[in-house]
Amino acid sequence: DVKVTQSSRYLVKRTGEKVFLECVQDMDHENMFWYRQDPGLGLRLIYFSYDVKMKEKGDIPEGYSVSREKKERFSLILESASTNQTSMYLCASRSPVDTEAFFGQGTRLTVV
Amino acid sequence: SQQGEEDPQALSIQEGENATMNCSYKTSINNLQWYRQNSGRGLVHLILIRSNEREKHSGRLRVTLDTSKKSSSLLITASRAADTASYFCATPRMDSSYKLIFGSGTRLLVRP
Repeated sequence: DVKVTQSSRYLVKRTGEKVFLECVQDMDHENMFWYRQDPGLGLRLIYFSYDVKMKEKGDIPEGYSVSREKKERFSLILESASTNQTSMYLCASRSPVDTEAFFGQGTRLTVV
Repeated sequence: SQQGEEDPQALSIQEGENATMNCSYKTSINNLQWYRQNSGRGLVHLILIRSNEREKHSGRLRVTLDTSKKSSSLLITASRAADTASYFCATPRMDSSYKLIFGSGTRLLVRP
């Protein structure tokens, strides 16, 4: 069974902290994604990685960075967490480019 | 920027009725995908329709695609309370590394 695993379901962090959200997939997929989901706004793409060490900005990259050192792992980094980054974060992977994506269970991050 | 926009934003029906959701998109596509999300969880892929297909079925799901109107519809027949969820359409942006872009979703409530 295919699997995308996000390291935490719920996370509470303080303003200004550096936050790491981890995502691991076991399907040998080239493409991985990070989205955030807010009520009424749907899923918005933060960053996309099309291969190891390769990344592209999505629609809302400000305040975030990513790391893809190994094919199976894609990390989202909040350099200095702010309250407006309180959200649900969803990781996904797929391969090849024109097929469906597989999602993790989501991480609900609260920044206080 | 949103690629797909779902309509309606919310839909409430009685068990046994059919539910129809629509999706409009902006750029050329090679496929369009529908996903389902139960409350607070990750997304699950339902069905993918390619740009050279007009209609596709999967169980109680029927998807149509009209590339001339840049629109798609998802029909769920004989709905059940367990179909209560949010439904999203998504398209890979051919002009941008096939990034998978989602709309804001339709919240479906099926009343028992």
